[in-house]
Parts: sequence; C-alpha cells; structure tokens
Amino acid sequence: SQTIHQWPATLVQPVGSPLSLECTVEGTSNPNLYWYRQAAGRGLQLLFYSVGIGQISSEVPQNLSASRPQDRQFILSSKKLLLSDSGFYLCACPTRRGTVDEQFFGPGTRLTVL
Amino acid sequence: LAKTTQPISMDSYEGQEVNITCSHNNIATNDYITWYQQFPSQGPRFIIQGYKTKVTNEVASLFIPADRKSSTLSLPRVSLSDTAVYYCLVLRYNQGGKLIFGQGTELSVKP
Repeated sequence: SQTIHQWPATLVQPVGSPLSLECTVEGTSNPNLYWYRQAAGRGLQLLFYSVGIGQISSEVPQNLSASRPQDRQFILSSKKLLLSDSGFYLCACPTRRGTVDEQFFGPGTRLTVL
Repeated sequence: LAKTTQPISMDSYEGQEVNITCSHNNIATNDYITWYQQFPSQGPRFIIQGYKTKVTNEVASLFIPADRKSSTLSLPRVSLSDTAVYYCLVLRYNQGGKLIFGQGTELSVKP
C-alpha cells in the first residue's frame, strides 16, 4: 500500500517570505500527484496536479508554483507569501482498488502566514 | 462535472443511524458518486463509492435511486468518533483524481 509523507507538518511564515512544501510518495511508481489547499476549515481546492516528472498543470492562477523533480516527489513553492496563502495543504495520490477509484491524502501541512 | 448540494450540518446522538443526502441533478452517464470523511487537521479519507442502487462496506452504505440525481450516505449506529465533515463528490470515470470538493456536511454526534 502507498504512503504519503509531507513536511513540515506546521509552518508559520511572515508575509513576503518564500515557501517550500514537500510531498513524497512510497509504495507506488509513476503516480499522478495532486496539491490541494483547504482554507477556513472547509472545502478543498485543487491547486496543481502532475502526471509525471517535470509535468505540472495549474488549476487556479495564484501566488504558488509546483515542481515534480522526481517520480515520487512533488514540491509546492512560493517566492513571496501572501496572507491569503494561509491554509492546510494536502498532497494526494489516486489509487485503484478493484473497481474503486480512491484519492489517498497525505497528513497535510498547516501554513500560517502572519 | 455535476455540482453537488448537501446539508451544511447535521446533529445526531450516539447509536443512531445517520443519513446524509446529496443532490447531483446534472450527473452524467459516466459519472459515479464518492463520499469522503474528514477529521480536523487531517486529509479526507475515502468512505464509499457507487454508481447505482446500493453499495455497502464495513463502514457505510450508499443508496442511489434509479435516476441517480441524488445519493444517501448511511452511517449505522454512529459513535462520537464519527463526528467529522462528510463530502459528496461526483467523479467522471477514468478521469483521474481531480476532485472537486464542496462545503460538505459537518456531522456532530452527541453522547
């Protein structure tokens, strides 16, 4: 079974500072990977997804970027954080169990921008 | 993909059966229905998925009428630990994991 690691678990950053969040996946190869953000405790928003190394698709224009330097590594970055970047960031990877398509989520990173 | 509508919140008591209904009037033929559960400060967790009629697993049951314009997640004999937000999603077959989450239903189970 696959495992998703995210770090850091929590982060407090000042406005204007850079950001780097990392996601790594074990137990699967060539996975599709996704970054979601959850603000105000409800309703996840898809930010980026990647179908392979170096391939990034952005779902919403914003202050963030993503990179896929290795097959099982997905990074979320920002050059200058905004207050509105605060939220709970989740990395996810789909898996199929029989006829069921399931999105498997990592433990998340809680980002607070002050 | 079809937009989903579900109650913002529900209250229940331990031991009761809870039914959360979701409407998805514009569901397409190749769409299927999936429910996720989310506890505070954790990522959502898959509960159940179905296309039509009834699906049951060790956690819940999912009832989908013939017109598929709605679905009902049934949680038997809830406990305090079932307090969470429950999301109903409509997914298109073979279009990967791009999930579109609504606001979900915040279920509060009381003793």
